[in-house]
Amino acid sequence: EPEVTQTPSHQVTQMGQEVILRCVPISNHLYFYWYRQILGQKVEFLVSFYNNEISEKSEIFDDQFSVERPDGSNFTLKIRSTKLEDSAMYFCASERGAVTDTQYFGPGTRLTVL
Amino acid sequence: ILNVEQSPQSLHVQEGDSTNFTCSFPSSNFYALHWYRWETAKSPEALFVMTLNGDEKKKGRISATLNTKEGYSYLYIKGSQPEDSATYLCASGWGSASKIIFGSGTRLSIRP
Repeated sequence: EPEVTQTPSHQVTQMGQEVILRCVPISNHLYFYWYRQILGQKVEFLVSFYNNEISEKSEIFDDQFSVERPDGSNFTLKIRSTKLEDSAMYFCASERGAVTDTQYFGPGTRLTVL
Repeated sequence: ILNVEQSPQSLHVQEGDSTNFTCSFPSSNFYALHWYRWETAKSPEALFVMTLNGDEKKKGRISATLNTKEGYSYLYIKGSQPEDSATYLCASGWGSASKIIFGSGTRLSIRP
């Protein structure tokens, strides 16, 4: 069964450094999402992406964050200058159709900012 | 502020018993309600997506109902088994089709 994959599984970085989290969505899916979960808190929506542009973003998704789909298969989340509070589990999800369809989640990347 | 609430936060159930828990959400501009099952160290697994008032969905021993007028959904598990132990998340979308808000989850533990 096709699945969403994410790399790396764990990323440790120093505060102020840039990180890129990678996701490979399911191949015939059109909608892509990034979520995060800070330890002990709710899963939070970050951004949705469709047709090579951002559909919606949350208040968390400020100028430090960006997403792109550089080669038609990978979907990346870049954090330009990481802060301690960016430490979280980051999940990518993809969906074939609109939000009424099923979202398939990847296994997540645990980001630790020191 | 849009908020999705789940109750209870945690639940301990004897194997074989049936159980249910609740997801509450603001009913205005409702778009869709998702239920996920999330086992430790795995990714959330989609169970149901529901959009219409009165929707009922079923997958094996698990079923869900939706009331969009009063803003709640119930998830039912019939004859709980140890493998049902997980956190059950609901998430709701409003207005815009591409943004959903998650609840905190209900952590279910099944006692053998």
